[in-house]
Amino acid sequence: DIQMTQSPSSVSASVGDRVTISCRASQGISSWLAWYQQKPGKAPKLLIYAASSLQSGVPSRFSGSGSGTDFTLTISSLQPEDFATYFCQQANSFPLTFGGGTKVEIK
Amino acid sequence: EVQLVESGGGLVQPGGSLRLSCAASGFTFSSYWMSWVRQAPGKGLEWVANIKQDGSEKYYVDSVKGRFTISRDNAKNSLYLQMNSLRAEDTAVYYCAVYYDSSGAFDYWGQGTLVTVSS
Repeated sequence: DIQMTQSPSSVSASVGDRVTISCRASQGISSWLAWYQQKPGKAPKLLIYAASSLQSGVPSRFSGSGSGTDFTLTISSLQPEDFATYFCQQANSFPLTFGGGTKVEIK
Repeated sequence: EVQLVESGGGLVQPGGSLRLSCAASGFTFSSYWMSWVRQAPGKGLEWVANIKQDGSEKYYVDSVKGRFTISRDNAKNSLYLQMNSLRAEDTAVYYCAVYYDSSGAFDYWGQGTLVTVSS
């Protein structure tokens, strides 16, 4: 199984900050990576697919990069509605696996 | 508008069974892979199972193989998860989701249904 490791597990940031979240796969997954945002009590929401493609309706301050084993989600200017938990997910092979999550908290 | 509405969750004793349903609307259900993803209280996301458009292919996470069965009824626009021999570690919110095989991402999610396995 492919293990997905996210870092950091939590980050404190202020509105307007640039935030970067990393995700590392235990083996190469090409660009088969997605990012999700989840707020408390809500279902996850797809932000990025194929490592760097922005899902329709998602603000352009979100961007994804990387391929192979190392990936990054960047929020260019953090907004109040962005405080949430973010998960990466590999889609290279079954079983599909998620990273442990990164909680973005208000500083 | 895409809607996925799960039902069937509840409290069940260890060793018991439960059948989850997911009613889909707002898209051509028969054209998409479908999935179940779960989240234990306060924990991360865990993929559970996938089923192909016509039901001919099914995939499961190892921890549920032989106990859970994913199925679908395209005529009823419905997805199901039959869960047998339930364990405490199966306690979670279960989400149904539309799986885009071209990207490998879960594009739409339901609101989830809570399954609690406890005596």
